[in-house]
Amino acid sequence: EAQVTQNPRYLITVTGKKLTVTCSQNMNHEYMSWYRQDPGLGLRQIYYSMNVEVTDKGDVPEGYKVSRKEKRNFPLILESPSPNQTSLYFCASSLSAGGEQYFGPGTRLTVT
Amino acid sequence: AQSVTQPDIHITVSEGASLELRCNYSYGATPYLFWYVQSPGQGLQLLLKYFSGDTLVQGIKGFEAEFKRSQSSFNLRKPSVHWSDAAEYFCAVILDSGYSTLTFGKGTMLLVSP
Repeated sequence: EAQVTQNPRYLITVTGKKLTVTCSQNMNHEYMSWYRQDPGLGLRQIYYSMNVEVTDKGDVPEGYKVSRKEKRNFPLILESPSPNQTSLYFCASSLSAGGEQYFGPGTRLTVT
Repeated sequence: AQSVTQPDIHITVSEGASLELRCNYSYGATPYLFWYVQSPGQGLQLLLKYFSGDTLVQGIKGFEAEFKRSQSSFNLRKPSVHWSDAAEYFCAVILDSGYSTLTFGKGTMLLVSP
């Protein structure tokens, strides 16, 4: 089944403790993105990747890192999480530039 | 910078009534346009998209949207709403065929009354 998977689905952590949210897609898509969703703000793009080893900042990249060492994986790294990074995070992938994005199920992160 | 406006935060529609959700974008060129739906606790699902050609596009679940260049709008419509349509709807745009930032509107929450 074609899908985007994220892990973990739920995470509660403390300020400053490094964490990684994994994202994997099995559709051989070149393009992958990370978004955060906050009430009243919709979805905002954090980072995106056009291919292996090619990444770029989205609208809200501060406090986040990404890597794209393999085509299928696009982990989101929070080196020193802070409470304002409490949010719902979505990973997405697409086959072509401007094409339909397939979203993962989301990761709800709480930073205390 | 491109932006997407969904002027209605909440809309309540009676079951069986028609629906129109508004979306306006701000950009000089015609971007690629999308409507996504998010049911409670779920991820996002694509309803329909517009790249070029016929300005009236059909999507899944009986939805359609009309692109109006003169109004920079891409409104979503459904002739008869079902209770299962209650969800949050997002309009999104992407600048061009070269992958760049996908910009979402802030969403419209649709409530369906009996």
